[in-house]
Amino acid sequence: DAGVIQSPRHEVTEMGQEVTLRCKPISGHNSLFWYRQTMMRGLELLIYFNNNVPIDDSGMPEDRFSAKMPNASFSTLKIQPSEPRDSAVYFCASSLMAGNNSPLHFGNGTRLTVT
Amino acid sequence: RKEVEQDPGPFNVPEGATVAFNCTYSNSASQSFFWYRQDCRKEPKLLMSVYSSGNEDGRFTAQLNRASQYISLLIRDSKLSDSATYLCVVPNNAGNMLTFGGGTRLMVKP
Repeated sequence: DAGVIQSPRHEVTEMGQEVTLRCKPISGHNSLFWYRQTMMRGLELLIYFNNNVPIDDSGMPEDRFSAKMPNASFSTLKIQPSEPRDSAVYFCASSLMAGNNSPLHFGNGTRLTVT
Repeated sequence: RKEVEQDPGPFNVPEGATVAFNCTYSNSASQSFFWYRQDCRKEPKLLMSVYSSGNEDGRFTAQLNRASQYISLLIRDSKLSDSATYLCVVPNNAGNMLTFGGGTRLMVKP
């Protein structure tokens, strides 16, 4: 079974550049989540989609962050312009359905470093 | 009360020891709970679900205490490979999605 697929695995960029992270959820899963993890703040939910529709983006830090899900098999998280404080591991996860009964399945993550 | 709280540890235990972690939650109507394991520089992975009656998977036992609003994870005969961070996952206060605890770090020593 193909799990959640994220790309790139690592991204190093300079401050001010645009960064685009990509995610392919598990086929048949209806919900997709973007998380950010740092040592200081742990795992933070940024945004989640249900049936390709953004449901809750209250975790998105600021307008520099945007996420899209144009179809059931693809989502992007974009940061423009990037800043050093955006350095973190970004995880995408999917589940069968939104709500509190379906466990999340995570991708390998994208390790972002902004210099 | 925070939606979910965990002791960050680290718990340092010798091989073969039994170790237990607790995780408290605030939503008394919660129905679904999970334990995840996260290795260093890896993604969180589902370890086990937590059922009302408690459940066991090999050396791992998960239990739910509704009265005191906590879930627990017990690891028997701990192995070096059990060293990881263990995240509990509970419904948020609105009850519409899952929220992750900060994790408890376990280090099993030879």
